Amino acid sequence: QVQLQQSGPGLVRPSETLSLTCAVSGLPISSDYYWGWIRQPPGKGLEWLGTVHHGGSAYYNPSLRSRVTISVDTSKSQLSLLVTSVTAADTAVYYCARPSGSNWYDAFDVWGQGTMVSVSS
Amino acid sequence: IVLTQSPLSLSVTPGQPASISCQSSQSLLHSDGKTYLSWYVQRPGQSPQLLIQEVSNRFSGVAHRFSGSGSGTDFTLKISRVEAEDVGVYYCMQNLELPLTFGGGTKVEIK
Repeated sequence: QVQLQQSGPGLVRPSETLSLTCAVSGLPISSDYYWGWIRQPPGKGLEWLGTVHHGGSAYYNPSLRSRVTISVDTSKSQLSLLVTSVTAADTAVYYCARPSGSNWYDAFDVWGQGTMVSVSS
Repeated sequence: IVLTQSPLSLSVTPGQPASISCQSSQSLLHSDGKTYLSWYVQRPGQSPQLLIQEVSNRFSGVAHRFSGSGSGTDFTLKISRVEAEDVGVYYCMQNLELPLTFGGGTKVEIK
């Protein structure tokens, strides 16, 4: 079955760039699926960051669009997230996830294990 | 689109039913005839899991005690008989339009 394994640093300094990766197994990342990122600040709800396709289509949350980049590396079968100019408000558990169907807006049926990222000096 | 869930928390005796409401700031009915509202549960220390999509379609492997209903702007998740493993926070999500948004969550506890 499809599995998503996340990795990346747990601590990022303010104003720097948060970088996470999500390794996809059980299905080619180049298949006709989209791949996304969602985050959850401590004790709070879920916030969708964006969803992309290996073919280039990308959909982002407008509230974060200027700072968020999601990309797919088919050679490594991994999904990446970059968040630039981070502040304490970016402290959250970050999840990669896959929409259940072939539409970018489909419900997310596969989730990574989550990565807690703290922004602090 | 803003999703408002109620109640914020729920304490249920095992074997009793539970109901969670999700109200949307606008209709989630798409021109294709589908309504794009899904439900997730986040059990303690775990990633969210999909329960129901398109209002009432149970995801593969989800127990039959979970059911979803509603239309337009008002939706409900029901658990027919709560079990101990149902403890967690339940979220609704609209996937009608960008940005995808989630409700604030409803915490379900066992009495």
